[in-house]
Amino acid sequence: GENVEQHPSTLSVQEGDSAVIKCTYSDSASNYFPWYKQELGKRPQLIIDIRSNVGEKKDQRIAVTLNKTAKHFSLHITETQPEDSAVYFCAASPDRGSTLGRLYFGRGTQLTVWP
Amino acid sequence: DAGVTQSPTHLIKTRGQHVTLRCSPISGHKSVSWYQQVLGQGPQFIFQYYEKEERGRGNFPDRFSARQFPNYSSELNVNALLLGDSALYLCASSLKQDSYEQYFGPGTRLTVT
Repeated sequence: GENVEQHPSTLSVQEGDSAVIKCTYSDSASNYFPWYKQELGKRPQLIIDIRSNVGEKKDQRIAVTLNKTAKHFSLHITETQPEDSAVYFCAASPDRGSTLGRLYFGRGTQLTVWP
Repeated sequence: DAGVTQSPTHLIKTRGQHVTLRCSPISGHKSVSWYQQVLGQGPQFIFQYYEKEERGRGNFPDRFSARQFPNYSSELNVNALLLGDSALYLCASSLKQDSYEQYFGPGTRLTVT
């Protein structure tokens, strides 16, 4: 099955700096890559996603890039704020009959933004 | 905000017992997926249901079962609980089986003692 690796496991940045989280995946059939933000004790929230026919997508301070050849994708957060502190998960979804609609998650990155 | 709802919020059970967790999807969504999130890890896929049929099953033992009702709500059942079943159980809903976006509920925190 799909295997998603996520790095780093923890990331500390100063408010206003940028943060980058990287993920790799193994299944070439994966064509949907969402990112979730999970605050302590709360549900994972979808913050941005990208599909395999697009190389980059931006939404205000967050952006995601995808390199299908290298099988990796990244989350970029600019002008970080303390409220960005949370665990961020990347995921991949293979477009394959047996696993259609299934998300495979990385292990998460604890992002801490210091004021 | 009529998001995904789950009940109960927290549950404490002892080894060998059985548990039933419930999920109501976003109105109009017909697909429900269940995930297990062990502390410090990402969610792991358990089941997907669409139009009341099982459409996918992850690498979990037969002690785990689920079903979806005509109103698209869903139950996850776990028999013969083990200590290792302690986790946050998340339900996610999507419009259809092949809809990409999945929206998660708040989860049920299960503790097995």
